[in-house]
Amino acid sequence: NAGVMQNPRHLVRRRGQEARLRCSPMKGHSHVYWYRQLPEEGLKFMVYLQKENIIDESGMPKERFSAEFPKEGPSILRIQQVVRGDSAAYFCASSVDRVATQYFGPGTRLTVL
Amino acid sequence: KNEVEQSPQNLTAQEGEFITINCSYSVGISALHWLQQHPGGGIVSLFMLSSGKKKHGRLIATINIQEKHSSLHITASHPRDSAVYICAVSMFGGTSYGKLTFGQGTILTVHP
Repeated sequence: NAGVMQNPRHLVRRRGQEARLRCSPMKGHSHVYWYRQLPEEGLKFMVYLQKENIIDESGMPKERFSAEFPKEGPSILRIQQVVRGDSAAYFCASSVDRVATQYFGPGTRLTVL
Repeated sequence: KNEVEQSPQNLTAQEGEFITINCSYSVGISALHWLQQHPGGGIVSLFMLSSGKKKHGRLIATINIQEKHSSLHITASHPRDSAVYICAVSMFGGTSYGKLTFGQGTILTVHP
């Protein structure tokens, strides 16, 4: 059973471009969470999704950020018009239900030039 | 004040020493998690607990719900235990169950 997969592992974008980060949860997991780790800072919750639904997006910046978890395919975190302050490690986690252990992916390191 | 506080922020030990990392939280929780992050690496979930004590190999996690406090112990520490250890909580109620709130992490370095 493969773990949580994220791609790409490293992503470089210029200011103003779009970044798309993908997360494939573990098999059988329908709950997905995105977290962000800014340089020299701790992890922060961004969004919690369950197949085709956003459950909690209270940690998402109001503009430029969106997330989806379609019926088929991976969850996508999309950042439009990236700025240097978006440079961070973005981690995805999945669980079998909302109270179960969350399993983390390896993260995507986004660098905005 | 952060909802989850860890101490110490940095910890250096000699191989073989017994290590304790502490976590205090200020909110009602449904569960507390201990995570491990190696430099430049991913995050591994070590424990999830809501009461009592859990043990896995040389790692032991305890929680005192009344005092809102948890500890992570490492017995017979080894250089490969060097990592950042992160405490996180999930709270009660609605969508809060799934959402983790993190401490700032404890950087552990174990010297041979």
